[in-house]
Amino acid sequence: ETGVTQTPRHLVMGMTNKKSLKCEQHLGHNAMYWYKQSAKKPLELMFVYNFKEQTENNSVPSRFSPECPNSSHLFLHLHTLQPEDSALYLCASSQVGHQETQYFGPGTRLLVL
Amino acid sequence: KNEVEQSPQNLTAQEGEFITINCSYSVGISALHWLQQHPGGGIVSLFMLSSGKKKHGRLIATINIQEKHSSLHITASHPRDSAVYICAVRSEETSGSRLTFGEGTQLTVNP
Repeated sequence: ETGVTQTPRHLVMGMTNKKSLKCEQHLGHNAMYWYKQSAKKPLELMFVYNFKEQTENNSVPSRFSPECPNSSHLFLHLHTLQPEDSALYLCASSQVGHQETQYFGPGTRLLVL
Repeated sequence: KNEVEQSPQNLTAQEGEFITINCSYSVGISALHWLQQHPGGGIVSLFMLSSGKKKHGRLIATINIQEKHSSLHITASHPRDSAVYICAVRSEETSGSRLTFGEGTQLTVNP
């Protein structure tokens, strides 16, 4: 148990569906991250939020829309996804500072049909 | 070519063997992380290094800043060590908390 929870753990959706992934951290951290992990590829950073403000968008398509209402919660809203978006989506949090460690959630395994 | 390269990509060992996983990187870094990912996806941070060596139980991590190389060693390996081990670096040149990840090493320890 890392102190970072994600729901749902598994999600199957059609290309026309709208769904949201949720992440919550119980560590008092002030930075949160979304990562995508596809088969046989390194983790890819998608978004970074520091103090609820988005500080990085790693050229992510607009069909992925993040939301950070407070420093403990992070959402990833999904709409009109493509089959190639099927992957493991991981959330992480950290305390911004020098050489901080990121704590990861268990991930949401997404299948787009 | 990735900024972070790991070797081997796959490693199979017998229980009790000494295991080494290597990580090489091509940029100046402020820190290097070793992470463990079990089947099912969850990732756990094992070590964060900026110099020298760290030890935690049967795990040892070393880094050579001049050679841009780090190793993760597992002594007396056990089937429960079976997982993907990921090296990640924080570059000196990028701002904020961005990490660059290697592709991971799949370790299987057989009883």
